[in-house]
Amino acid sequence: DAMVIQNPRYQVTQFGKPVTLSCSQTLNHNVMYWYQQKSSQAPKLLFHYYDKDFNNEADTPDNFQSRRPNTSFCFLDIRSPGLGDAAMYLCATSKSSGARDQETQYFGPGTRLLVL
Amino acid sequence: AQSVTQLGSHVSVSEGALVLLRCNYSSSVPPYLFWYVQYPNQGLQLLLKYTSAATLVKGINGFEAEFKKSETSFHLTKPSAHMSDAAEYFCAVSDRGGGFKTIFGAGTRLFVKA
Repeated sequence: DAMVIQNPRYQVTQFGKPVTLSCSQTLNHNVMYWYQQKSSQAPKLLFHYYDKDFNNEADTPDNFQSRRPNTSFCFLDIRSPGLGDAAMYLCATSKSSGARDQETQYFGPGTRLLVL
Repeated sequence: AQSVTQLGSHVSVSEGALVLLRCNYSSSVPPYLFWYVQYPNQGLQLLLKYTSAATLVKGINGFEAEFKKSETSFHLTKPSAHMSDAAEYFCAVSDRGGGFKTIFGAGTRLFVKA
C-alpha cells in the first residue's frame, strides 16, 4: 500500500544535541510538509516543500531545518533541541495539480520526540 | 486571515447516540474545509473535505458534514456512535489559491460510553 512512513516512531535526544527525523513516501506526491504537534494541541505547520522549493513558515524557529534530497524523502533537523521542542512531529504529503490549491494531505504516524 | 474554532474540547456520547462536533471558520475567500481524525499516537486521517461541490459532504466511517456559508459552520455528524469512534477530531481550513497553508482547529476529543 502506498503510504507515508516516519522513522523512528519515538526519538529520545539530549538537550542541545542535534537530531534528525525522517519521512519517506511511496505516493509520489510533489508536496511534503512537516508539522509540530504538542500535547493536546493542533498541528502547527513548520514548513513545506513544493517539489524542490522550500517554504518556511514565518514563525518557525531557525533551530528547525529541513532537507529533501529527492521526491521520496524529507528530513527534519533540529539543530539544538530545547525542552520546549518535545512534541509529536508529523510528516504529510499531497499532490498538487499546479493550481496551488490545497489537496488532501496524507499523514504519517508521527515521531514523538523526547528531550532530556 | 483564516481561523478555525472548534466548540468543545471534549464531547462525550453514549454508544448508538448522535455525534455532533462543531466547527466554525473564518476565511476571506471561499474556503476548503476538512475534518481529520487522530487516534492515539497516530497521524491524522482525512474523514471528509468540502471543495465547493455539494454542501453536504459524506465521508468515511459514516461521518458527514454540512457546509453552511451563512453560519460559517462545518459541523461533523454521525447518526450512531461506535466505540471505535473515540478519538481526537480536527477541523481545518485552507484558502482557495492560497497555497499550501492549512489552519487546524484545537481539536475535539470524542469519548464514547458503552
